[in-house]
Amino acid sequence: DIVMTQTPLSLSVTPGQPASISCKSGQSLLHSDGKTYLYWYLQKPGQSPQLLMYEVSSRFSGVPDRFSGSGSGTDFTLKISRVETEDVGVYYCMQGIKLPLTFGGGTKVEIK
Amino acid sequence: QVQLVESGGGLVKPGGSLRLSCASSGFSFSDYYMNWIRQAPGKGLEWVSYISSSGGTTYYADSVKGRFTISRDNAKKSLHLQMNSLRVEDTAVYYCARASIRQLALLDPWGQGTLVTVSS
Repeated sequence: DIVMTQTPLSLSVTPGQPASISCKSGQSLLHSDGKTYLYWYLQKPGQSPQLLMYEVSSRFSGVPDRFSGSGSGTDFTLKISRVETEDVGVYYCMQGIKLPLTFGGGTKVEIK
Repeated sequence: QVQLVESGGGLVKPGGSLRLSCASSGFSFSDYYMNWIRQAPGKGLEWVSYISSSGGTTYYADSVKGRFTISRDNAKKSLHLQMNSLRVEDTAVYYCARASIRQLALLDPWGQGTLVTVSS
């Protein structure tokens, strides 16, 4: 199975300040079709997870442009340019190149 | 709108069985792959199983292989998870999630989840 490792475990951010979450995979997520199958999900408190980013850097429908994703191969980063109170929750990276699908352990983002 | 609603969770003793269902609405169910993902209390997300749009292909996490069976009824637009030989470690909120036709891991939307508690 592909192990996904996220850091940090938690993050406390002042509104308006940036935040960054790292995700590393145990093997390259670059497929032979040229796409990299790395996704980001956010689980807000008391809610089901929701898709934020797909293929590393593509924002899903309705996701604000303060969210951006970058990286390649095995190293990836999710950045929030200016954190807002509605961004609190647990962020998960997930790989989709190989079954079983595997998630990172999650990064909890809180507001200071 | 596109919606998934799980049901069937509850309290069951170790070794027991439970059948979860996921009712869909707002989209052409038979066109999409479907997944089950679970979350143990206070823990992260664990993918459990997927089923192809026709139901002809399924895949399971090792932790549930041989005990859980995923199925679907395209006529009734519903997804199911038959869980047998349940263990304490199967205690979790179980979510169903639709997968993009082109990308199995592009999961949207997710249902609200149904809680399964395995305890004596």
